[in-house]
This record gives sequence, C-alpha cells and structure tokens, in this order.
Amino acid sequence: QQPVQSPQAVILREGEDAVINCSSSKALYSVHWYRQKHGEAPVFLMILLKGGEQKGHEKISASFNEKKQQSSLYLTASQLSYSGTYFCGTGSSNTPLVFGKGTRLSVIA
Amino acid sequence: GAGVSQSPSNKVTEKGKDVELRCDPISGHTALYWYRQRLGQGLEFLIYFQGNSAPDKSGLPSDRFSAERTGESVSTLTIQRTQQEDSAVYLCASSWQGGNSNEQFFGPGTRLTVL
Repeated sequence: QQPVQSPQAVILREGEDAVINCSSSKALYSVHWYRQKHGEAPVFLMILLKGGEQKGHEKISASFNEKKQQSSLYLTASQLSYSGTYFCGTGSSNTPLVFGKGTRLSVIA
Repeated sequence: GAGVSQSPSNKVTEKGKDVELRCDPISGHTALYWYRQRLGQGLEFLIYFQGNSAPDKSGLPSDRFSAERTGESVSTLTIQRTQQEDSAVYLCASSWQGGNSNEQFFGPGTRLTVL
C-alpha cells in the first residue's frame, strides 16, 4: 500500500521550520526520504532502518516510529535550497519501495 | 564514477509505435529499478532487478510493458503499441544491493511523449 504523506504542500519563509509526515498501513522495515527539485531526478536524503531511529543531516532530520508505522522529516531553519517535492518510500526487506505522492515545499525569502 | 545515465533524454512518438528506453546503472550496483512519474505525480514502481534473481514485475501496468537487464549492467524498458496515457518521465535507479537498506541513485529520466 502507498504511504500517505502530509501535508500535500507547504509554504515557508526562510528560517521557518517544517515537519513532513509519512504513514503506512503496513508494518515498516525501512523508510527512505528523497527530495526532487523541479525538472530533476530525486536525490537521496536518508534511510531509517530501525524503529525509533533518528538521523540527521545538517538541519534536516528524521524519525521512524515503527510502532506507529510512521516517519517524520524535520526541516529546521529552512533555506531557499530546501524547496522541492519530498517523497517518502517504504518497504520490507524483500519488496520494492512504494513511494508516497509527495509533499511540495516552497521556501520564500 | 559516473552516475546513472539514461537515454534518450526525450522521446516523442506516435500512438501505436514501440519505444525502447535505456538505463546504464552505476558500476557495481546489483539492484536496478524502473519508475514512472506522470506530470505532478509521485513515483510509480514498475520493475526491479536484483542480481541474477528473477525480476519483480509486479508494477508493470500492462503486458505492453517489458524490461530486460543484461547481467548487472544495462537495462532496457520496452513499451509496445504506445498509448497517450504512457506519456510520462521514466526514471531508472540503481543501488549497491537490493533489500531497501541502501540508497537509490536516480538517473535523469527519459521524458516520453506519445502523440
């Protein structure tokens, strides 16, 4: 089943924070996060493999709540370069990833 | 290291024609994926190759779609008797190995337009 992402779209001013959620109706083995800028290929952000695992890269971090079957991506002190569509992908160890419909993030000055 | 490459970058074809899309994965990557992305939409899984295992074709939308992979290198996605609904960007990705524990590296995509 396709994971559900929320919100569908969000507009931020530079420096503001945002949270993007990804929920699945199935037990999760892994959650992938990717960002796609307009007209470009998706670019990897991070993978979370364990329940409760948190990862971070600069001012972007994510958590994985295995029990709740959801993951959240946190963007703090957003920059213009954060604009794009964020996709989460979920899957088990032996099934292909299923990606959500994406969350469109626009950061304005 | 070059990244994942795809060709052609753009393809315009007439309804009913066959098309072939090519993907060159990163050298050494055993897993290869094909996705379809319609305008403004998410990534729709099509097919997955992992080493010498039988491919996972569960995402192919119809029997007009097929894909092959030569060993652990080039893959070709073929769409027969194209329809206007096939218009989309077709993305290929590869990863060091399958199992969803490794990041996927995406190619730039092939934009297919069926007139």
